[in-house]
Amino acid sequence: GAVVSQHPSWVICKSGTSVKIECRSLDFQATTMFWYRQFPKQSLMLMATSNEGSKATYEQGVEKDKFLINHASLTLSTLTVTSAHPEDSSFYICSAREVGREDRQETQYFGPGTRLLVL
Amino acid sequence: SQQGEEDPQALSIQEGENATMNCSYKTSINNLQWYRQNSGRGLVHLILIRSNEREKHSGRLRVTLDTSKKSSSLLITASRAADTASYFCATEGNNRLAFGKGNQVVVIP
Repeated sequence: GAVVSQHPSWVICKSGTSVKIECRSLDFQATTMFWYRQFPKQSLMLMATSNEGSKATYEQGVEKDKFLINHASLTLSTLTVTSAHPEDSSFYICSAREVGREDRQETQYFGPGTRLLVL
Repeated sequence: SQQGEEDPQALSIQEGENATMNCSYKTSINNLQWYRQNSGRGLVHLILIRSNEREKHSGRLRVTLDTSKKSSSLLITASRAADTASYFCATEGNNRLAFGKGNQVVVIP
């Protein structure tokens, strides 16, 4: 149980295009999902916290108009990188926290990540 | 902001040996978690230790937490080649996780 999927697993796009990444909790409901970014051989940096039915909370330095987050249901959050540029190339990972399970609420379950390459 | 910080290490050990890695943090926490990441993949949750706990075991994993020193250690006993990965600690506070830099562990068969 507690599986999180991401789609696509990798994407190559031209500079200036927008890319949408989906994060789904497959067997549990998640009121809160998180989006991280990871550069090669570096740690994960939290970009934003996505709450179902409300606006995302962005970390300092993350442009909300650049990285659009939508959390329309308890099992799906999307991250759209708008007008992508080469510097946006990175590994994007989402995670989800299960609702209603006290023994698992503290644990975040991570998706497999999406590798984005902007040419 | 809170931040877990491992001693930036690259450990290379022989299969069967133990691997120990450390993590320090700066602010008060609710819990501290350890994750494993295989190259180019997502994170796998290993173990969570709460701020009022001092030690926790899960299979071959042993985690300690010293809140007075704001530090934690992860011990992997009897390592296997499949344990080769990056290991991250993450501290939780204010409903978010802050990750450390990670330790690269290579277990040589």
